[in-house]
Amino acid sequence: DAGVIQSPRHEVTEMGQEVTLRCKPISGHNSLFWYRQTMMRGLELLIYFNNNVPIDDSGMPEDRFSAKMPNASFSTLKIQPSEPRDSAVYFCASSLFSGGYNEQFFGPGTRLTVL
Amino acid sequence: AQSVTQLDSQVPVFEEAPVELRCNYSSSVSVYLFWYVQYPNQGLQLLLKYLSGSTLVESINGFEAEFNKSQTSFHLRKPSVHISDTAEYFCAVSDLQGAQKLVFGQGTRLTINP
Repeated sequence: DAGVIQSPRHEVTEMGQEVTLRCKPISGHNSLFWYRQTMMRGLELLIYFNNNVPIDDSGMPEDRFSAKMPNASFSTLKIQPSEPRDSAVYFCASSLFSGGYNEQFFGPGTRLTVL
Repeated sequence: AQSVTQLDSQVPVFEEAPVELRCNYSSSVSVYLFWYVQYPNQGLQLLLKYLSGSTLVESINGFEAEFNKSQTSFHLRKPSVHISDTAEYFCAVSDLQGAQKLVFGQGTRLTINP
């Protein structure tokens, strides 16, 4: 099993540019989560999907952020336009949701730097 | 809403010494509790969890944590650490109804000195 795959691993961009982060969940998993990790705010949940449907996006910081899950094996997190305060490590996680608790498996993260 | 406080941002210890990483949570409802470990340049991995039953839970690599409801704590302990335990450790909580939503503490960086 390849685990959760994220790309790119590192992204450096300039303020105002569009950034797209990608995630491939573990095959067979039906829930997908996007997290952001910063020194100031720690690790926070941005949005999660069950069966490709967004369930809770209350953690998305503002309208510049959007996430999609067009199918069970792919999700994107887009920031447009990007700002220096968006610099962070973005993690994707997936789980096999069947009600109650289900372990989340994390990807290696994408380190985003916005200059 | 839940919150998690990890009281120590950094904990340096010598190899083979015992260690305790502290975690306190706040919640008005019953919770699940977790410890995750993050090795350098990697994602988080589940170390151990408390869902119900015995308040003492153990991991396969010698860590243990005890759920203390009266003190709202879930401290992580290991009697003898190894260099390979160097990592950042995150305590997390979720409520039983919204078990998919994890709330994390700020993390504790454990540094093992030879």
